[in-house]
Amino acid sequence: DGGITQSPKYLFRKEGQNVTLSCEQNLNHDAMYWYRQDPGQGLRLIYYSQIVNDFQKGDIAEGYSVSREKKESFPLTVTSAQKNPTAFYLCASSRMNTEAFFGQGTRLTVV
Amino acid sequence: QKEVEQDPGPLSVPEGAIVSLNCTYSNSAFQYFMWYRQYSRKGPELLMYTYSSGNKEDGRFTAQVDKSSKYISLFIRDSQPSDSATYLCAILREGYKLSFGAGTTVTVRA
Repeated sequence: DGGITQSPKYLFRKEGQNVTLSCEQNLNHDAMYWYRQDPGQGLRLIYYSQIVNDFQKGDIAEGYSVSREKKESFPLTVTSAQKNPTAFYLCASSRMNTEAFFGQGTRLTVV
Repeated sequence: QKEVEQDPGPLSVPEGAIVSLNCTYSNSAFQYFMWYRQYSRKGPELLMYTYSSGNKEDGRFTAQVDKSSKYISLFIRDSQPSDSATYLCAILREGYKLSFGAGTTVTVRA
């Protein structure tokens, strides 16, 4: 089946640790996105990428990093510099200037 | 000013009622408009998308865009309890950026 796969579904991070969230798509989409969702809030853009080996900061990039070495993959690293990382993280992909499709999300909790 | 404004509700309606959801946006250059439905603890699911002013229908759902007023709407006819979810409007900005409203939580009472 074509789609976007995020893993893991749940992730726990200790204070001071870096963690990496996986996002893979087999839709042959050019663009990929990472969003953060906090309870009762909409989606805020962290990073996005239009093509391989290129990505841009979104509205809340501080404390996060990404890479885009393959068209299918766009992993997000939550670094220790992110002071409030507990949230629901959503990955999406799209063709050029069209609607985006989302994965099922990763819920990150700091313990 | 936020690029996309959406009343977070919550909105509670009886089964069979029409649900009306609205968003406003700030930049008249925006061209592509979407509505997503999100169930609790799940990823958003695309409901409808449009790039022109006017109405677009898909079953019980109608998306409406008024570019002159910078206003977009989603109507759900004959609402069902299974329509209970959070509805998010989204607008495609320049350079692939998708901006979302805060989402409106809808409950359809049986």
